[in-house]
Amino acid sequence: QLQQQESGPGLVKPSETLSLTCIVSDDSISSSNYYWGWIRQPPGKGLEWIGSIYYSGNTYSNPSLRSRVTISVDTSKNQFSLKLRSVTAADTAVYYCARWPSSARAFDYWGQGALVTVSS
Amino acid sequence: EIVLTQSPGTLSLSPGERASLSCRASQSVSSTYLAWYQQKPGQAPRLLIYAASTRATGIPDRFSGSGSGTDFTLTISRLEPEDSAVYYCQQYDSSPLTFGGGTKVEIK
Repeated sequence: QLQQQESGPGLVKPSETLSLTCIVSDDSISSSNYYWGWIRQPPGKGLEWIGSIYYSGNTYSNPSLRSRVTISVDTSKNQFSLKLRSVTAADTAVYYCARWPSSARAFDYWGQGALVTVSS
Repeated sequence: EIVLTQSPGTLSLSPGERASLSCRASQSVSSTYLAWYQQKPGQAPRLLIYAASTRATGIPDRFSGSGSGTDFTLTISRLEPEDSAVYYCQQYDSSPLTFGGGTKVEIK
């Protein structure tokens, strides 16, 4: 069964850059059948889509975050990454990576999530 | 941006009862792009329904989805204790992809 694991620092200082990587357990990241996404959830709140990437490198992101977000993919390492610049306390959240099959148009496999706290 | 409004905020029902969760969109959404997720405390969301009415792999048939246009419904036909969770709808008919605010289902 597919597994995904988010990794990165759990604490980031205000104004710095949040960096997370999602390692995918198989080579489906190179498949044309899937997109790969980042979603976040502030403590006690709902879900917010950050952005998605295709194996070719094409990216799609939420306009509310687009100016601060970079999503990249490394198919040789079966992983994709998120960078969020100039973070504030409002960016404190659990960050999830997830798979999006073109056939389902929904996120069918999710990582366990990584809590990132923005604090000095 | 398409806003998804879920109601009620909280639903408290007994085991065996039927639950109906509503998701209303601020503009029409193609059924192809409407999904439902279940999230239990401390866990990642789990895909229940995609394309408005298609159950994801391994989802029990007591979960069903319906609707079109701006009104969609997730129905749990016979509640079981493990169905206690928050349920979210999601659309990607137009960017940005958005989620509803969630409905919490409590089992008495």
